[in-house]
Amino acid sequence: DAGVIQSPRHEVTEMGQEVTLRCKPISGHDYLFWYRQTMMRGLELLIYFNNNVPIDDSGMPEDRFSAKMPNASFSTLKIQPSEPRDSAVYFCASSLSIPNTEAFFGQGTRLTVV
Amino acid sequence: AQSVAQPEDQVNVAEGNPLTVKCTYSVSGNPYLFWYVQYPNRGLQFLLKYITGDNLVKGSYGFEAEFNKSQTSFHLKKPSALVSDSALYFCAVRDRGTYKYIFGTGTRLKVLA
Repeated sequence: DAGVIQSPRHEVTEMGQEVTLRCKPISGHDYLFWYRQTMMRGLELLIYFNNNVPIDDSGMPEDRFSAKMPNASFSTLKIQPSEPRDSAVYFCASSLSIPNTEAFFGQGTRLTVV
Repeated sequence: AQSVAQPEDQVNVAEGNPLTVKCTYSVSGNPYLFWYVQYPNRGLQFLLKYITGDNLVKGSYGFEAEFNKSQTSFHLKKPSALVSDSALYFCAVRDRGTYKYIFGTGTRLKVLA
């Protein structure tokens, strides 16, 4: 398996524009997590899914953020409209539902909103 | 609520010396504990985990971690540090109820030549 795949790796956009980040989890993994990493706040859990169903979105900062998982092999994180303070590295991770197993992370998407 | 704490923002160690990166946890029941490493511009990579059994867990790149139930700690160790070990290290616990991974704030390790 190629691991967790995220696209794009880098995104530069203007304030007010819509941004969509994409994630393909490892095949067979039934948990998917979206994290955001910044210098100020560290690694924050935004939302996570189990079997394509959102379980906890309490970490999503505002209504401008939304996430979907239409099937087991694809998830998106959308920001509309984007703001400069959304600039961060966004990670997707996936795992099995066996509790003592580790999560596997993608390479991340570095988002810059100017 | 389950949590982990990494008390040191940064650890400096000379190449060839042993290194320790500290982690303490607060969980109910037996914990599932993990260590991850993040190199610049990369995602988090799994290093090792504690499930049950031996308190000394061996992992990738020569790293090991010692689980101590009485001190609620899970410190990461390596007998001889390399400059290439310089990176950001995260301790994490997986919540048995929610299945979330809860990460510490990270410790930056600098190995000096």
